[in-house]
Amino acid sequence: DIVMTQSPTSMSISVGDRVTMNCKASQNVGSNVDWYQQKTGQSPKLLIYKASNRYTGVPDRFTGSGSGTDFTFTISNMQAEDLAVYYCMQSNSYPPTFGAGTKLELK
Amino acid sequence: QVTLKESGPGILQPSQTLSLTCTFSGFSLSTYGMGVGWIRQPSGKGLEWLANIWWDDDKYYNPSLKNRLTISKDTSNNQAFLKITNVDTADTATYYCARIGTHYYSGDPYWYFDFWGPGTMVTVSS
Repeated sequence: DIVMTQSPTSMSISVGDRVTMNCKASQNVGSNVDWYQQKTGQSPKLLIYKASNRYTGVPDRFTGSGSGTDFTFTISNMQAEDLAVYYCMQSNSYPPTFGAGTKLELK
Repeated sequence: QVTLKESGPGILQPSQTLSLTCTFSGFSLSTYGMGVGWIRQPSGKGLEWLANIWWDDDKYYNPSLKNRLTISKDTSNNQAFLKITNVDTADTATYYCARIGTHYYSGDPYWYFDFWGPGTMVTVSS
């Protein structure tokens, strides 16, 4: 299975910050990486698909980039409602695998 | 409007079979390119993909669950199902079903989980 390693595990941030997190695949997954947001007590929500495509209705402060084995997810202007755990997932090959998540907490 | 909702037994005993139902609306599993996936999440932990079923009845399973999984669908009633045999305490989790959406890039499909149900908690305990 492809292992997706996310870093950091958690981040203490302030509203208005620029937040960047990473996801590293154990082998080349092309651009086949998605990013999901999961708020406490809720189901995950798709934000970015195929590395850099914003899903319908997702604010443009959320961006994704990368290809091959290294991927980055950025929130350009952190809002309070963005507090959540963010997961990357590769769908390049079965079984699709998720990273362990990056948790955003208020400083 | 796409919605999905999972249902399950809530609690069951080790060695029993877990049967989950995903009832959905706003799309059809008979439509080309559509699919439903199952993903689970132990409390406080990360996400684990379990299985996908596609409009053409193609099925994929997580090999880590070693043939314990069976995914199926009832297109007429807009439902998808997942069975997990011989459960143990490690199967305690919230189980989600999710719609698989497909985007085409120059004719090549790219799939993702674009709508998720609220999840159903399953506890395996003696």
